[in-house]
Amino acid sequence: QQQVKQSPQSLIVQKGGIPIINCAYENTAFDYFPWYQQFPGKGPALLIAIRPDVSEKKEGRFTISFNKSAKQFSLHIMDSQPGDSATYFCAAIREGGSQGNLIFGKGTKLSVKP
Amino acid sequence: NAGVMQNPRHLVRRRGQEARLRCSPMKGHSHVYWYRQLPEEGLKFMVYLQKENIIDESGMPKERFSAEFPKEGPSILRIQQVVRGDSAAYFCASSVRGSSYEQYFGPGTRLTVT
Repeated sequence: QQQVKQSPQSLIVQKGGIPIINCAYENTAFDYFPWYQQFPGKGPALLIAIRPDVSEKKEGRFTISFNKSAKQFSLHIMDSQPGDSATYFCAAIREGGSQGNLIFGKGTKLSVKP
Repeated sequence: NAGVMQNPRHLVRRRGQEARLRCSPMKGHSHVYWYRQLPEEGLKFMVYLQKENIIDESGMPKERFSAEFPKEGPSILRIQQVVRGDSAAYFCASSVRGSSYEQYFGPGTRLTVT
């Protein structure tokens, strides 16, 4: 049972391009939607997160867009750089619930070409 | 302030042996989560613990797997009688608040079963 669907599986862009990664969720009880970045051989690191009562959130070059009615959210990376090459995971959680786990998408492997 | 620490980083076990994975949460964090990551897959939740308590083990296989977070010392994920299918990266995360989207991940333990 996959509760968070992520696409695309992989993405190649040129330096300066704007990669967009999309996620869709099913459970309307989720109330936080974070994005994690993972480099090879490392653990995931929290990048940015959004609540469903906000339609957009920006932190530096990273922007989350949220569409509550469609149950979809996406990550945009402005002016992408080769150092952004990593795997990106969207996730969802119901904060404070009895189940403390993040539900992750399957990940998008981003490659930014110089 | 040290991050989440996991050891060993790499572990090789023969089929039928036991694997013990250790996790020390960030200072001040009393909530610990274990996730498993298979190649080309997202992270799958296994278990959520607080000191001396298992809060949610809904993602843990019913047999061979157990976890603890004692009053003193690290959290331990124990896999008895390992099989080849247990080969994966196991990540531990910790948080200040329970069931939080702000989970800080360790570098992982890569288990290989031969």
